Amino acid sequence: SQQGEEDPQALSIQEGENATMNCSYKTSINNLQWYRQNSGRGLVHLILIRSNEREKHSGRLRVTLDTSKKSSSLLITASRAADTASYFCATVYNQGGKLIFGQGTELSVKP
Amino acid sequence: DGGITQSPKYLFRKEGQNVTLSCEQNLNHDAMYWYRQDPGQGLRLIYYSQIVNDFQKGDIAEGYSVSREKKESFPLTVTSAQKNPTAFYLCASIRGDSGANVLTFGAGSRLTVL
Repeated sequence: SQQGEEDPQALSIQEGENATMNCSYKTSINNLQWYRQNSGRGLVHLILIRSNEREKHSGRLRVTLDTSKKSSSLLITASRAADTASYFCATVYNQGGKLIFGQGTELSVKP
Repeated sequence: DGGITQSPKYLFRKEGQNVTLSCEQNLNHDAMYWYRQDPGQGLRLIYYSQIVNDFQKGDIAEGYSVSREKKESFPLTVTSAQKNPTAFYLCASIRGDSGANVLTFGAGSRLTVL
């Protein structure tokens, strides 16, 4: 399967702490994306990083990509209770190709 | 506001019945997708359509059918041939010239077989 694998499957932290989620994939990619899903809702796109980029920032989000290790990480700094959600990575293996989703990390931020 | 509307949000079906889930978008996006999500799982692609009157099977198309008669609409029928249809179904779309394949999702439809 080309599907990405994420770890941890679940993460519980206190408000104000940082949360780090990891995603690994199996073959060369065009880009990697992170999505967020609140319980019982659709997914919302957070950030995209291209295969020739190593790091990207958006607000409290920081994404890194290591193509040599075929892995990416999503860091949420100074977490808030409202960040509680599931986070998915999705990989695109060629231009115009389909997105392949990982199984997600369930993040719980306790106030 | 532009977006994707899925209906119904909740649907109950008896075994042996076909049901159709609606997906409408007013984003003028070319490509539309249907995904299935099971508890604690990622998304699996059922069908996708890149232009009107054309669609392709995804990874788990058996027991499902779609149509794409209009750019705005991509309904999914869950047929009685789908052996385990209870799941959360998500519709999504992509602007054809985006190049980056960033998906916009609807809010989902939860189907339960009684």
